[in-house]
Amino acid sequence: DGGITQSPKYLFRKEGQNVTLSCEQNLNHDAMYWYRQDPGQGLRLIYYSQIVNDFQKGDIAEGYSVSREKKESFPLTVTSAQKNPTAFYLCASISQVGQPQHFGDGTRLSIL
Amino acid sequence: QKEVEQNSGPLSVPEGAIASLNCTYSDRGSQSFFWYRQYSGKSPELIMFIYSNGDKEDGRFTAQLNKASQYVSLLIRDSQPSDSATYLCAVWLDGIQGAQKLVFGQGTRLTINP
Repeated sequence: DGGITQSPKYLFRKEGQNVTLSCEQNLNHDAMYWYRQDPGQGLRLIYYSQIVNDFQKGDIAEGYSVSREKKESFPLTVTSAQKNPTAFYLCASISQVGQPQHFGDGTRLSIL
Repeated sequence: QKEVEQNSGPLSVPEGAIASLNCTYSDRGSQSFFWYRQYSGKSPELIMFIYSNGDKEDGRFTAQLNKASQYVSLLIRDSQPSDSATYLCAVWLDGIQGAQKLVFGQGTRLTINP
């Protein structure tokens, strides 16, 4: 079945550590997105990529980095510069602009 | 002004009644509007999309769009306890360098009381 796979489901970060969240899709979608969701809040855009080897900052990119070396993969690194990383992270993709996004199951990140 | 605004609730509705959820947006040029349902601890799932002014019905759900007033609403008829969730409104807006982005409201928490 086609879909978006995020891993791991739960992740714990130590002080000063970088961690990477995986997002893989087999929907053949060009555009991929990363969102952060805090308790009781909506989704805030971190980074997005409309094509391989290109990506743009979203509204809250500070402390995060991404890469898009393959169409299927859009990993997100939460760096030590992100002082409040505890949140639910969602990856999404679309077939084309204007269409609804498909979401992965999310990764819940906490600080040890 | 936020790009997409929703009343965060909580909204409490008796079982069998109509639940009405509202959303306003700032970009007059927006063309695509979506409603997602999100259960606690889960990812959002698409339940309705609408592109044209007027009403769009799908089962117990009706999406209403009024571009002149820049609002979109979701009606849930014959509300069931399983409809208890957070409902997110999402609108495609212009981003930087012409790239468009999907912007979400903060969500409305809906509780259906048996």
